[in-house]
Amino acid sequence: SQQGEEDPQALSIQEGENATMNCSYKTSINNLQWYRQNSGRGLVHLILIRSNEREKHSGRLRVTLDTSKKSSSLLITASRAADTASYFCATDAPKDTGRRALTFGSGTRLQVQP
Amino acid sequence: DTAVSQTPKYLVTQMGNDKSIKCEQNLGHDTMYWYKQDSKKFLKIMFSYNNKELIINETVPNRFSPKSPDKAHLNLHINSLELGDSAVYFCASSQRTSGRTDTQYFGPGTRLTVL
Repeated sequence: SQQGEEDPQALSIQEGENATMNCSYKTSINNLQWYRQNSGRGLVHLILIRSNEREKHSGRLRVTLDTSKKSSSLLITASRAADTASYFCATDAPKDTGRRALTFGSGTRLQVQP
Repeated sequence: DTAVSQTPKYLVTQMGNDKSIKCEQNLGHDTMYWYKQDSKKFLKIMFSYNNKELIINETVPNRFSPKSPDKAHLNLHINSLELGDSAVYFCASSQRTSGRTDTQYFGPGTRLTVL
């Protein structure tokens, strides 16, 4: 499996419900980021959490990071139809690993029903 | 103001042709990237340039040649197009700090269809 895998692959919820997406990765990281991609568009950065942080909030978004389990979760509270999109996690490996770019997962497709 | 722009948005061409995609960023970033997103939405890094210098080349066929005339531009030229090159190509930029890769800003993508 690949670095930065999201789970579930697809999620359908009703407006007003919370949506939780998970991401697992394999190697050590500097930071982990979440991006959103609306259909036919480029990716938009949502939030970045550094390896020494455990939780971060931004508006209706809450991200957690557990480096011991190499996993992260993205929670969207009180979802709206406009939240319908694909969500990707991306990891940045430390410099000494020789890896010098973000590694993206295959994304979670979120559908919020009005 | 568009931060990262790409042209064209759509590109339909025949197998064997040569084509280019252009990318420009007005964010003053040092680093630019090309990604390929396949039909399953998997996004894979192809190239990265830092201040016009190639720093990442991820086992991409040499039919793909990036060119960075200055740090605000990173173009992608593809020779002898193949069916498998059909995908959406995204340009992105970021400001690198001490070897970390922070927030990346993506262009709108170029959907390439090879017939």
